[in-house]
Amino acid sequence: NAGVTQTPKFRVLKTGQSMTLLCAQDMNHEYMYWYRQDPGMGLRLIHYSVGEGTTAKGEVPDGYNVSRLKKQNFLLGLESAAPSQTSVYFCASTALAKNIQYFGAGTRLSVL
Amino acid sequence: AQSVTQLGSHVSVSEGALVLLRCNYSSSVPPYLFWYVQYPNQGLQLLLKYTSAATLVKGINDFEAEFKKSETSFHLTKPSAHMSDAAEYFCAVSDGTGGYNKLIFGAGTRLAVHP
Repeated sequence: NAGVTQTPKFRVLKTGQSMTLLCAQDMNHEYMYWYRQDPGMGLRLIHYSVGEGTTAKGEVPDGYNVSRLKKQNFLLGLESAAPSQTSVYFCASTALAKNIQYFGAGTRLSVL
Repeated sequence: AQSVTQLGSHVSVSEGALVLLRCNYSSSVPPYLFWYVQYPNQGLQLLLKYTSAATLVKGINDFEAEFKKSETSFHLTKPSAHMSDAAEYFCAVSDGTGGYNKLIFGAGTRLAVHP
C-alpha cells in the first residue's frame, strides 16, 4: 500500500543546477499538489494539478515548473536552483469528491 | 482570502496533562478545517477534519476539535498527553471541492511532552 511516493528523499544542489522531483501516487487520485515547508511558515502551495495534462500556480510558484503527463505522476522542476529554494518539499494527492489530502514523506533539498 | 493562525509555535505539557492547541481561521465561504500531525522526518498525517457536519469532531489517538463559528476557531484538544504525541501539528483550511481542495496551512505548533 504505497500511497504517495516521492523521489529522491534527499538532494544537495549547487546554485544554478537543475533537478526534477518526482511524485507518484497509486490511489487513482485526480488532484495533486506540491508544497514547500519552511521553519515557522507551515506548508505553502507551489503548484497543483486537477487532472492529467493540467497544472496551475499556487501561492509560491516562482522558480518552479511542473508537469503532469500521466495521472499518477506529478513532477516538480527547478531550472536554476537558488539558495532560497532550500526547503523540504511535499507532494500530496486527493480524490475528486473527497477532502483529505494524502502526503508523501518529503524531499529534503539543500541548495549551496 | 483564507488564512489560518496558530497561537503558540511551541507548547509543552507533562505526560497525562491536557493538550490544547489553538487555531483561528479566516474564510469568506463555509470552511473545511483540518488538523494534521507531522512526526520527525515524516510526511503529514490527517488527525481529523470538519466539513460542516457535527461541530465536535473526533479524530485518531483521542484527539478532538470543536468548530466555533462565532469565534472562528478550531482548537485541538486531547484529555491526556502521551509521550508519543510529541510532534508538530498543523491546522489547515480549505474551500473544499470548489477550490480544488487546496489547503492553506498555519505555521504549525510543536508539541513537547515531558515525563
